[in-house]
Order: sequence, then C-alpha cells, then structure tokens
Amino acid sequence: DIVMTQSPDSLAVSLGERATINCKSSQSVLYSSNNKNYLAWYQQKPGQPPKLLIYWASTRESGVPDRFSGSGSGTDFTLTISSLQAEDVALYYCQQYYSIPYSFGQGSKLEIK
Amino acid sequence: QVQLVESGGGLVKPGGSLRLSCAASGFTFSDYYMSWIRQAPGKGLEWVSHISSGTFMYYADSVKGRFTISRDNAKNSLYLQMNSLRAEDTAVYYCAKDHDSGGNSAVDYWGQGTLVTVSS
Repeated sequence: DIVMTQSPDSLAVSLGERATINCKSSQSVLYSSNNKNYLAWYQQKPGQPPKLLIYWASTRESGVPDRFSGSGSGTDFTLTISSLQAEDVALYYCQQYYSIPYSFGQGSKLEIK
Repeated sequence: QVQLVESGGGLVKPGGSLRLSCAASGFTFSDYYMSWIRQAPGKGLEWVSHISSGTFMYYADSVKGRFTISRDNAKNSLYLQMNSLRAEDTAVYYCAKDHDSGGNSAVDYWGQGTLVTVSS
C-alpha cells in the first residue's frame, strides 16, 4: 500500500503571504505510459465535505482560484497558495489514486497568523 | 448540477449491520466509478470502497469481508452494506464520484455525508 505523508501538520500564515504544504508518497505515483502523476489535493472546511482543488498533481479544478497551484512529480508534491485569503483557512489533504487502496495524507491545518 | 445524497446512517450496536444508500443525480451515473470514503470524528479521510461502472469492487483491508459495495444504475444509486460493525467503524461516510470515467481518478463530487455510530 502507498503511504502518503504530509508536512507540516499545521501552519499559520499571514494574510496575503504564501502558504506551502508538502506531500510525500512512499512510492512513485507517476505512471510512465502517460506521464501523469495520480495525485490530488482537497480542501475541507469545518462541517463540510472535502472539495477537489487539484488533480493530476497540477491541474486546477474548474472554479478553483488561480492562487492555488500544485507541483511535483514521482514521490514529492507541493500545494501552494500564492496569497492567503481568510477563506482559505481549512484542512488540506493530498490523495494518491495510482493504486488501490487510494490513500490520503493525514491532513495539514492552515490557519491565519 | 451534480448531487449526491446519502442516507441510512445511525446508531448501531457492535456486531450489528447497517445499509447506506446514496442517491445520485445531475450526471450519467452508469459512466462513473463511485466510492465510499469515511472520516472518523476529528480524524482524517479514509478510502473505504470503490466500484466500477459495472461490477468490479475494491475494498480497504479494514473492511474487507464485512462491507459490500453495490450499485443500481437503473436507480442511480450506490449502496454500502456494512456487517459485523465495530466501534472503529464510527465515522461520517461520504458517497463520492470519480472526476473521470474509467477508474484511477480523483473525486470531484462528495455528498454531505451520513454519520454511523457504533456503540453499545
């Protein structure tokens, strides 16, 4: 099974500043035949289901603000929020969908400094 | 618009059974793999089970042999039969739709979830 590990577990960033969350998989989630990384990022606010932000490691879901971006390949990935807004306070999860079981990271809590 | 509405959660004793349902609308249900994903109170997300647009089913080791996923494409419905429930199965259970057809996809829509509590 692929284990997903996020860092940090929590972070506090000032409004307008950059926030960065990392995700590491225990084995590569890059499928060589199509050169796609099977990695997604989700945002979850209290009392709500998760929301898809990024898929294929770097493709922004429709309607997601362009301050959210994803990068990385193989086993190391990053979610970046370029200019933190108050509404970005949430839990963030990465997930691999390369192989079953489709595992999630433990989550990273983003707060305002 | 896409809607996923779960039902069937509740309080059940250890060893008991429960059947969750998910009513889907706003998309061609039969084209997409569907999943159940759960979240224990105050904890992270755990993938539970996945079903192809046809009959291929996949399970997390933690529920294999106890849970059965199924779907009725004519009724646009997804189900999760949960038997031999344990305290550690207590969680909000989300019904989730794959972003892309054909499997190996992120989830683009989630239901609001239904709470399952296993306690004596």
